[in-house]
Amino acid sequence: DSGVTQTPKHLITATGQRVTLRCSPRSGDLSVYWYQQSLDQGLQFLIQYYNGEERAKGNILERFSAQQFPDLHSELNLSSLELGDSALYFCASSVGVAGGTDTQYFGPGTRLTVL
Amino acid sequence: KNEVEQSPQNLTAQEGEFITINCSYSVGISALHWLQQHPGGGIVSLFMLSSGKKKHGRLIATINIQEKHSSLHITASHPRDSAVYICAVLNYGGSQGNLIFGKGTKLSVKP
Repeated sequence: DSGVTQTPKHLITATGQRVTLRCSPRSGDLSVYWYQQSLDQGLQFLIQYYNGEERAKGNILERFSAQQFPDLHSELNLSSLELGDSALYFCASSVGVAGGTDTQYFGPGTRLTVL
Repeated sequence: KNEVEQSPQNLTAQEGEFITINCSYSVGISALHWLQQHPGGGIVSLFMLSSGKKKHGRLIATINIQEKHSSLHITASHPRDSAVYICAVLNYGGSQGNLIFGKGTKLSVKP
């Protein structure tokens, strides 16, 4: 158990809908990262928040947005969903801002299926 | 061409065998990570390297910065080592957290 929690575990929805994925980092970790893992693209970095502020942005679509709240939990909002958004979404956390040179602890993931 | 290439894509071994998984990258990096993804989907960070070699139990990770290459070795492999092993790099000068991932090596260890 990494100490990172994600909810829900599974999510099935229809095209055009909007969903919110939630992540709670390990106690004491200030950075939260979101990743998407699809069958054809593999793992891709989406976005990083550190202590409530956006710190790095990767291949995140404009239809997706995220935020980190004062209690450090984070939410990833996916809107106008398309079939291609079906994927595993992982959240990870680390102590500091330097996620590339820090150990990241991954949550169990949320499996999103868009029908 | 992918910036991070792993080989082999798939690997089947017998229990007890010594296993090597390779990762080559084409960009300058600040750090390289090895991750393990279990059949259930969960991801565990195994190592973070910026130079040299690290060992944890039966796992050894090495990196050669000049050759832009890293290897993950598993000694005395066991069926519980069956997983996908993923290499990820932090591009030198890139924004922290923005890891670039390889496609993974699927390892199956038979009893």
